[in-house]
Amino acid sequence: GAVVSQHPSRVICKSGTSVKIECRSLDFQATTMFWYRQFPKQSLMLMATSNEGSKATYEQGVEKDKFLINHASLTLSTLTVTSAHPEDSSFYICSARGQPSSYNEQFFGPGTRLTVL
Amino acid sequence: RKEVEQDPGPFNVPEGATVAFNCTYSNSASQSFFWYRQDCRKEPKLLMSVYSSGNEDGRFTAQLNRASQYISLLIRDSKLSDSATYLCVVNAVRGANNLFFGTGTRLTVIP
Repeated sequence: GAVVSQHPSRVICKSGTSVKIECRSLDFQATTMFWYRQFPKQSLMLMATSNEGSKATYEQGVEKDKFLINHASLTLSTLTVTSAHPEDSSFYICSARGQPSSYNEQFFGPGTRLTVL
Repeated sequence: RKEVEQDPGPFNVPEGATVAFNCTYSNSASQSFFWYRQDCRKEPKLLMSVYSSGNEDGRFTAQLNRASQYISLLIRDSKLSDSATYLCVVNAVRGANNLFFGTGTRLTVIP
């Protein structure tokens, strides 16, 4: 299957700093990438959808100025958590979908565990 | 109402047992259905898609009931390696074809 990588896998930062997470599709071109967040014992919640070369579409309740998404190429999307606070501590997972894609399958990255002190 | 609802479990079953999970979805217009598996602190991985006619992959059988809006997953002859959280996932066809995830059902297979 297709491979999606994320970097870093784990990050610990102080409150108020910004953190950038990279999501790369390694062996296919991802026309659409998705960013999810998962809190302990909860389901994955979609934060935003990004299409290469256009602005991301954010889900209700997700602040676009706090979670900056850039999908500048067909193989790379970045999520920047600006002025992170302890409540932003979570497991952030990206997924990618390329073309052609049947049944809307998404390939998930290994996730980034963010801890904000 | 949540898009996708699952019994969180946990289900603790002995090796060799048969176990079944159910999941309900709220949007009758949903078109694609999946079961994903998620191991602790790892990303979800596609286990199988769920087709209208039902489908089987080895020890795993998935069924879809559109009239009642539920999906099931049956695991036969459980192995220790089947221990994981099983996520019911539905594509609700909204703009960018977003996936909606259930909270998952935790399975532990006991030796």
